[in-house]
Amino acid sequence: ILNVEQSPQSLHVQEGDSTNFTCSFPSSNFYALHWYRWETAKSPEALFVMTLNGDEKKKGRISATLNTKEGYSYLYIKGSQPEDSATYLCASIKHGSSNTGKLIFGQGTTLQVKP
Amino acid sequence: ETGVTQTPRHLVMGMTNKKSLKCEQHLGHNAMYWYKQSAKKPLELMFVYSLEERVENNSVPSRFSPECPNSSHLFLHLHTLQPEDSALYLCASSQDLRGREGRDTQYFGPGTRLTVL
Repeated sequence: ILNVEQSPQSLHVQEGDSTNFTCSFPSSNFYALHWYRWETAKSPEALFVMTLNGDEKKKGRISATLNTKEGYSYLYIKGSQPEDSATYLCASIKHGSSNTGKLIFGQGTTLQVKP
Repeated sequence: ETGVTQTPRHLVMGMTNKKSLKCEQHLGHNAMYWYKQSAKKPLELMFVYSLEERVENNSVPSRFSPECPNSSHLFLHLHTLQPEDSALYLCASSQDLRGREGRDTQYFGPGTRLTVL
């Protein structure tokens, strides 16, 4: 069974603070890790797809790193803004299901940025 | 906009009703998915279609019946649901499945909020 865990469950920060949260996944037979950003009443929006150990990706003020050997990924937000308030989801491909697109999602980290 | 639309956005139905959820993608993708998000639970995959063929059925009860008439449209037919089926149902699509080892981004619709009375 593949379990994807995210921590913390929720986070409140002040505008301008930098923050980070964690996604943990089983490291055996890793295929890919996806990060999504989900604002209330909107569609989940893809941020990154990461596949290589040591990979680092960046999109504006948001970046992510990947450690496939120990099974974790960090998402960083530099200088948080109120518009960054959302739930951030990570998902990994289930062992043996790389050809079915079966993403296993974590419960998400809900970020609230106060002005 | 992600290029994936879902209708209706909200649906209230009784346990004896029959209703359908519709998903349409305008991205030219070959794979489509149904997900369910119950309160305080992670997004959970229900069905996967690739080139209109069902390739994954994640132990979903038969009261949920998917249909994929072409690569752009996906339906979820609902009948004799239970109150515990109340949830947010999300549709997604991706370019392809095979040979990509899980690297294709999935593009999600905004979901249908279903309430079963």
